[in-house]
Amino acid sequence: EDQVTQSPEALRLQEGESSSLNCSYTVSGLRGLFWYRQDPGKGPEFLFTLYSAGEEKEKERLKATLTKKESFLHITAPKPEDSATYLCAFKGAGGSYIPTFGRGTSLIVHP
Amino acid sequence: GAGVSQSPSNKVTEKGKDVELRCDPISGHTALYWYRQSLGQGLEFLIYFQGNSAPDKSGLPSDRFSAERTGGSVSTLTIQRTQQEDSAVYLCASSPLAIGTDTQYFGPGTRLTVL
Repeated sequence: EDQVTQSPEALRLQEGESSSLNCSYTVSGLRGLFWYRQDPGKGPEFLFTLYSAGEEKEKERLKATLTKKESFLHITAPKPEDSATYLCAFKGAGGSYIPTFGRGTSLIVHP
Repeated sequence: GAGVSQSPSNKVTEKGKDVELRCDPISGHTALYWYRQSLGQGLEFLIYFQGNSAPDKSGLPSDRFSAERTGGSVSTLTIQRTQQEDSAVYLCASSPLAIGTDTQYFGPGTRLTVL
């Protein structure tokens, strides 16, 4: 059964303290790995899609990387406005168009 | 451009009542998904529509839940005889599902509270 695990469940950082969030998955073939940001009371907001191992994408202070078994979301010099829950999801190569979501990492950045 | 919209944003109902939740996807997106998110939980897949194909209903938790999509656009999720455990945020997402662009775009959700 395809599974995705995110760690840590919660992360507290000081402003400017860089860190990484992990998303590991077990799937026979990957068709896409997705990162989303979700603010309280809102729907998930799309950040990145990665399709192959070695691929990297950046947006402001965020950088997503992908290997064959995991993805990292690196946050460089975070600011309080980066506080949110970060979700990852993947689609396996089995033909299903339904992505599997992780439970998310709740990030709090203190000023 | 316009994103995915959902209505109502909040719905409070009494146990046993029926509710209808609406989703307007991004124009031109052929795929539409419904999810449920309970407090502190991940996204639970409910149902998936793709074009004119039969919907994938494998995630619906009981026969009290149903959904339809009219004209390949607007979708309605109906919950009959609501129970307290149905309280959650119901999220809708749409996707163009073209190669290389199968990212989902989510609406703001409908928060359902069953008293």
